[in-house]
Amino acid sequence: DTGVSQDPRHKITKRGQNVTFRCDPISEHNRLYWYRQTLGQGPEFLTYFQNEAQLEKSRLLSDRFSAERPKGSFSTLEIQRTEQGDSAMYLCASSLTGAVYNEQFFGPGTRLTVL
Amino acid sequence: GESVGLHLPTLSVQEGDNSIINCAYSNSASDYFIWYKQESGKGPQFIIDIRSNMDKRQGQRVTVLLNKTVKHLSLQIAATQPGDSAVYFCAERISSGSARQLTFGSGTQLTVLP
Repeated sequence: DTGVSQDPRHKITKRGQNVTFRCDPISEHNRLYWYRQTLGQGPEFLTYFQNEAQLEKSRLLSDRFSAERPKGSFSTLEIQRTEQGDSAMYLCASSLTGAVYNEQFFGPGTRLTVL
Repeated sequence: GESVGLHLPTLSVQEGDNSIINCAYSNSASDYFIWYKQESGKGPQFIIDIRSNMDKRQGQRVTVLLNKTVKHLSLQIAATQPGDSAVYFCAERISSGSARQLTFGSGTQLTVLP
C-alpha cells in the first residue's frame, strides 16, 4: 500500500460528458503528478504540482484537461467534452522534496472508459 | 520519441530461477532511474532506484545495474517467485531544471512458470 489514493477507481462515461478524478497523495508529500497510461504502454506524464503550484504541463494535456491542487493537498483532474481517445488509466503519484531520491509513489489509478 | 525502451516485451522464467529484465535509454542527461512493477489493474509499484553516480544498487532479492557507457539498465530478480509475475517498467528522469516527470518505457511482461 503506497498511501496514494484515487477516486473513483473506474469511470464509464459517454462521449461529450465531463469527468473529474480525485487524488489524495501521501500526507507529507508536497509534489503530486498526473500520468496517463494506455493498454500495454508505460505511463505518460501529464502535469505536476509542487504544493499548490502547477509547475509543468505536458503537450498531452490539451485544453480540455485541467488539473488543480487548491490547498496543496488533494488534486483533481477534470476532462471536459470527453472523447473516445481519452479512454485510459489515469494515475496519480506523489513525492517529497528533500528525500534522497525523490521517488514517486503511485496510486491505484482511475480507469476511464469513454463510450 | 521515447528515450527509454526495453529489449524484450515478454520474459518467462521458471520459479526459483533468476530473472534479468533489460532497458535501454537514449538520453545521456538522465541521472535517475527507477524500476516499477505493475500488476494487472493496479498502479506501478516502486521496486528500486539508482542515481547515475552509481553502477549497482541492491535491494531485497533485486539488483539494479546501470551502465552509462552503453546507456543500459537492468533489473535482476533472484529466486523468482510466482508473485513476481507482472509488467516491469524502467523509468528515467533528468533532475536539472524544473523537470521532475518520469519517462517510462513500454514495459516487459514477466511470467513465472511453476
